[in-house]
Amino acid sequence: DAGVIQSPRHEVTEMGQEVTLRCKPISGHNSLFWYRQTMMRGLELLIYFNNNVPIDDSGMPEDRFSAKMPNASFSTLKIQPSEPRDSAVYFCASSPRGSTMNTEAFFGQGTRLTVV
Amino acid sequence: GDSVTQMEGPVTLSEEAFLTINCTYTATGYPSLFWYVQYPGEGLQLLLKATKADDKGSNKGFEATYRKETTSFHLEKGSVQVSDSAVYFCALSGGGGSQGNLIFGKGTKLSVKP
Repeated sequence: DAGVIQSPRHEVTEMGQEVTLRCKPISGHNSLFWYRQTMMRGLELLIYFNNNVPIDDSGMPEDRFSAKMPNASFSTLKIQPSEPRDSAVYFCASSPRGSTMNTEAFFGQGTRLTVV
Repeated sequence: GDSVTQMEGPVTLSEEAFLTINCTYTATGYPSLFWYVQYPGEGLQLLLKATKADDKGSNKGFEATYRKETTSFHLEKGSVQVSDSAVYFCALSGGGGSQGNLIFGKGTKLSVKP
């Protein structure tokens, strides 16, 4: 298995532009997470999907952020408009939750976003 | 809700020193506990896990024991190597207050000097 695949690995964009980050979870996994990592705030959960349905989006910073999971093999995180304070590494992770919540998550390599 | 607290870093050790990184948790129910490791420029990787009280997780010389009485899951290694330099995250899942999420601590950066 190729693991969780994120694209792009690096993104540099100008303030005000729309940014779309993409994630392909591991096949068969039914939970998907988006995290943001910064030096100041550490690792923050942004949103969590189970069976393609958003379960908890309380970590989404503001309305500029949106996430979708149109099917079991693809998810996007969109920032519109982007701001310099959005600069961070964004991680996607997936998990084979099944009937139990006690399983680990598998992380992608992350997308390093720089907004100038 | 559920939470994880781990010791502040950074931690700097000499090669072959003993390592302990403390982790305590607050959770209802019976969560599973995890340690993840993040090497520079990479994503998080599962290092070890324990799913019930008194379980010991181990991998690559690292160990952690699920202590329900002290709500702790401290990470230990008897002799660290330069290649162990990374950020270590304690996490829990499946507690009643986690809503199915993985709850992470803030991470502890470990630097091992030759």
